[in-house]
Amino acid sequence: AQTVTQSQPEMSVQEAETVTLSCTYDTSESDYYLFWYKQPPSRQMILVIRQEAYKQQNATENRFSVNFQKAAKSFSLKISDSQLGDAAMYFCAYRSVGGSEKLVFGKGTKLTVNP
Amino acid sequence: DAGVIQSPRHEVTEMGQEVTLRCKPISGHNSLFWYRQTMMRGLELLIYFNNNVPIDDSGMPEDRFSAKMPNASFSTLKIQPSEPRDSAVYFCASTLAGVVDTQYFGPGTRLTVL
Repeated sequence: AQTVTQSQPEMSVQEAETVTLSCTYDTSESDYYLFWYKQPPSRQMILVIRQEAYKQQNATENRFSVNFQKAAKSFSLKISDSQLGDAAMYFCAYRSVGGSEKLVFGKGTKLTVNP
Repeated sequence: DAGVIQSPRHEVTEMGQEVTLRCKPISGHNSLFWYRQTMMRGLELLIYFNNNVPIDDSGMPEDRFSAKMPNASFSTLKIQPSEPRDSAVYFCASTLAGVVDTQYFGPGTRLTVL
């Protein structure tokens, strides 16, 4: 079974600075998807970014980018120019391709943005 | 377009009562998922449907939980009888399998069982 580990329960960053959230996963599959979801206090789960394992190029979405290291099974999220609205829980998630469609989530990292 | 719709947003009930949570997926999506979020266990899949058929219900805790999807635009998750340990946030998500493959979540239902 696949597992996802987020080793940082909490992180903090100053407004306008850059922060990186870590995620590692364990799988024997070669093709899969990885996601970062954001959960603000409203508890709505919001997709931040996704990465297909077959793609070597790291995904980017505006201020959000990932560092995908397939061999190391690492998938970190970098947030540049942090804003107060980025404060939230961030969850890393794994999904198989061709097998179960379910998302396997990490425990989450709580990000605080200091003004 | 409307996102995933869940009702109710909050539910408070007493132990032993029946609870029904409802979900309307995004129009055109063919896979629907029920997740539960607790402090102890985090986010975990309960069950998912593809084209209204249950595919993976391995996360359903026990016989007290049941889920149905009578048509492409509606699903229910029922707990009978409810217990305090069922208190959690229940999320519904949907996707267009094989095309989009990103799950879009509803706002969740916060269930409190007293």
